[in-house]
Amino acid sequence: DADVTQTPRNRITKTGKRIMLECSQTKGHDRMYWYRQDPGLGLRLIYYSFDVKDINKGEISDGYSVSRQAQAKFSLSLESAIPNQTALYFCATSDPGTSPYEQYFGPGTRLTVT
Amino acid sequence: AQKITQTQPGMFVQEKEAVTLDCTYDTSDQSYGLFWYKQPSSGEMIFLIYQGSYDEQNATEGRYSLNFQKARKSANLVISASQLGDSAMYFCAMREGGTGANSKLTFGKGITLSVRP
Repeated sequence: DADVTQTPRNRITKTGKRIMLECSQTKGHDRMYWYRQDPGLGLRLIYYSFDVKDINKGEISDGYSVSRQAQAKFSLSLESAIPNQTALYFCATSDPGTSPYEQYFGPGTRLTVT
Repeated sequence: AQKITQTQPGMFVQEKEAVTLDCTYDTSDQSYGLFWYKQPSSGEMIFLIYQGSYDEQNATEGRYSLNFQKARKSANLVISASQLGDSAMYFCAMREGGTGANSKLTFGKGITLSVRP
């Protein structure tokens, strides 16, 4: 089984709808991240959480919110989806106690907002 | 200024040949780390190789090596003996802020590599 899972894998939604992307991990890592990937722009950090009580904004948090329900679960919400939020979304985890402290990525969620 | 710069357009390489993917970075931190990730057409992000700023030797992992030139702030990925399965997008990323609360990973825009049979 994959260590970092994301649901749904693909989603098409309409402008103005609320949508939640979910991430679960079995790696036991405290740190979790949400990124979005747009063609030609690489990955940009939306939100990150270093433990259950810690939530931090990333580079592009406007229009998004997150919830860390447990160590293993980190959800990303789009309160009112807009077309320019169409992107590939990745969840990632990391453990600062392990070298080289790389991030482990989920398979991604492809979101289309029409 | 961009933290990570990957400016090469789509790269092409003949199967079994070596290829270098360029990455330059910008940081004022003394301690930082450089990563390369591979993203095949299936979309997942695969960690390839890491170089710490204090590492004196260039990192190697199988067919991957990192040509680290600290003074030039470059961390180029070298893939030897290219295989068809190496066709993918490659991202360079930099971690600043150590492992503490200010730790963050910044990605470049990526380079597309196509391996020709």
